[in-house]
Amino acid sequence: AQSVTQLGSHVSVSEGALVLLRCNYSSSVPPYLFWYVQYPNQGLQLLLKYTTGATLVKGINGFEAEFKKSETSFHLTKPSAHMSDAAEYFCAVSSNTGNQFYFGTGTSLTVIP
Amino acid sequence: DTGVSQDPRHKITKRGQNVTFRCDPISEHNRLYWYRQTLGQGPEFLTYFQNEAQLEKSRLLSDRFSAERPKGSFSTLEIQRTEQGDSAMYLCASSSGSWWETAGELFFGEGSRLTVL
Repeated sequence: AQSVTQLGSHVSVSEGALVLLRCNYSSSVPPYLFWYVQYPNQGLQLLLKYTTGATLVKGINGFEAEFKKSETSFHLTKPSAHMSDAAEYFCAVSSNTGNQFYFGTGTSLTVIP
Repeated sequence: DTGVSQDPRHKITKRGQNVTFRCDPISEHNRLYWYRQTLGQGPEFLTYFQNEAQLEKSRLLSDRFSAERPKGSFSTLEIQRTEQGDSAMYLCASSSGSWWETAGELFFGEGSRLTVL
């Protein structure tokens, strides 16, 4: 079985500051890990993903995440926050077959001017 | 390709009534997922289809819920004898190909919002 835990339901950062959104996973099989973003009144869209290979993955809009097996973590970072980054961010995990695909409870990011 | 479409977008019903939601995935997408999302929460997995076969069902999917995907194209999610706790956004997502090829990119519809009075 797979699950993810997102630490911090709300995160506020100043514009230009580092963004760090935390995600820990639990999986009985090698996981596929994802970050999705949901802007207000819009559907979810894929930000980045880890399947195999390089543990540091880069996504859209300057975001990246690092898969750390020893820490069972997949934290999302961005060096410099923009106002347009304000959204809800969801970490997700799946098996390598895709039969199960589970989301975390989400982290709401607020960017302060 | 118009993306994943869901119908209706909003549904208000009285407790005890049955409701049905429809999802039309992106053409040729063989994988289809249903999720439920309540305010301030992440999407909760309900069920998964590969083509017409329902391969996974969550424990959240009580016997009042049923989903179908005849012919492996569109899907329906029916809720019988609705309860106020069923009020939520019901999301449909689809993806294509083998899992390791597309590596998990789900394409989501805009959802069907259910309000049970």
